[in-house]
Parts: sequence; C-alpha cells; structure tokens
Amino acid sequence: AQSVAQPEDQVNVAEGNPLTVKCTYSVSGNPYLFWYVQYPNRGLQFLLKYITGDNLVKGSYGFEAEFNKSQTSFHLKKPSALVSDSALYFCAVRANTGNQFYFGTGTSLTVIP
Amino acid sequence: EPEVTQTPSHQVTQMGQEVILRCVPISNHLYFYWYRQILGQKVEFLVSFYNNEISEKSEIFDDQFSVERPDGSNFTLKIRSTKLEDSAMYFCASSVGLAGTNEQFFGPGTRLTVL
Repeated sequence: AQSVAQPEDQVNVAEGNPLTVKCTYSVSGNPYLFWYVQYPNRGLQFLLKYITGDNLVKGSYGFEAEFNKSQTSFHLKKPSALVSDSALYFCAVRANTGNQFYFGTGTSLTVIP
Repeated sequence: EPEVTQTPSHQVTQMGQEVILRCVPISNHLYFYWYRQILGQKVEFLVSFYNNEISEKSEIFDDQFSVERPDGSNFTLKIRSTKLEDSAMYFCASSVGLAGTNEQFFGPGTRLTVL
C-alpha cells in the first residue's frame, strides 16, 4: 500500500539556520514525490517534485529535496531559513500508475527571528 | 497568476442534509480532483475527474458522494446525506495533464462542519 510519513508534527528553526523537514514513503514501483506548502487560509502550493533523474531537486523559494531510494526518503531542505518560510509543509507520493496522491500529515515549520 | 477558487470557505450543515461544494479550476486544465483533510489527519484523495467522468476514486468516495462539471467552469462535490464524520476541509485541485508529471494546483479549501 502507498503511504507517506512525516515523523515531525512541528519543526522550529532559527532564522538563517538550515532547515530540514523529513519525509519517508512507501510505494510500489518508482515513486513520484512532491512537496507542497500551505500558508494560512490558502490552498496547497507546489514546491518541487522528483520523477526521475538527479536525486537532488531544486524548487521554489530556495527549497530543495533529496531523493534517497535506499532509505525511501525525500527530505525537504533549505540552506538558510527565513521567517516567511513559516508554514505547513506536506510531502506527497504518487505511484507511477494512477492519479491518486498520498499525502503525509504535514509538518508545521516555525522560523524564529 | 491563475488560481483555483472554492466556495464557500466555510459551510455548516445539519446531519442528513445535502451539501454542494463548489470549485472553479484553472481554465485550461483538464483534470480535476477532490481531497479532504479531517482535522489533524492526512490529506486524503477522494476522486479524480477527466473528460466528464470519474477516472479514479478512493474507498472514501462512496455512494454518498458525487461530482459534476455542470458547465465549462465549475466542478462540484455533492454529499447527499452528510454525517458527522464528513466534517473536514475539502480541497479542490486541477492539473493541465495527468497528475504527477503535471503539477496539481489546489484551491484554498472549504471547511465543512456537520452538526
């Protein structure tokens, strides 16, 4: 069965420090992996995706994520956090067949000034 | 920048009543989706819709649920007889092509409260 785990409900980081939001997945076949961000009263916004190719993918707002097949992980990273990065982050996976996305429970990121 | 819109932002209804949640996808998109998120839980896929028919649905999407694209712009989710456990945030999304290779754009959500 397809699933996504985000082990941390809350991540706090000081402004300027690197941030990591963790995600592990379980899917049959090769995964399509995504990160979305949600600001208050807004819909989910696409940040980046991995389908194939380079394991390190770069996305919007300076975020990047590394696909690690052996660890079935797709952690979201940013070298230097901004206060404006404070939001709810969702990891999602789609199997390489079908249209169904599976989301994690979300991680609330707070960047402390 | 084009965006997916949803109305209403908050819907309160009595158990057993019918509700219709409305979405206006991005105009050149061909694939449409509904998701829901029960408070504190995962975002769950409900249904995908393409070419005026359901292309995929989850176990959650039972006979109480239906979707429709009544005109060229709206995409609706109907719950025929709401239950308490239907209380959730419902997100609409659309994509220009198949999800995965194409980005899904999400609306801001409708919070449904069933009393």
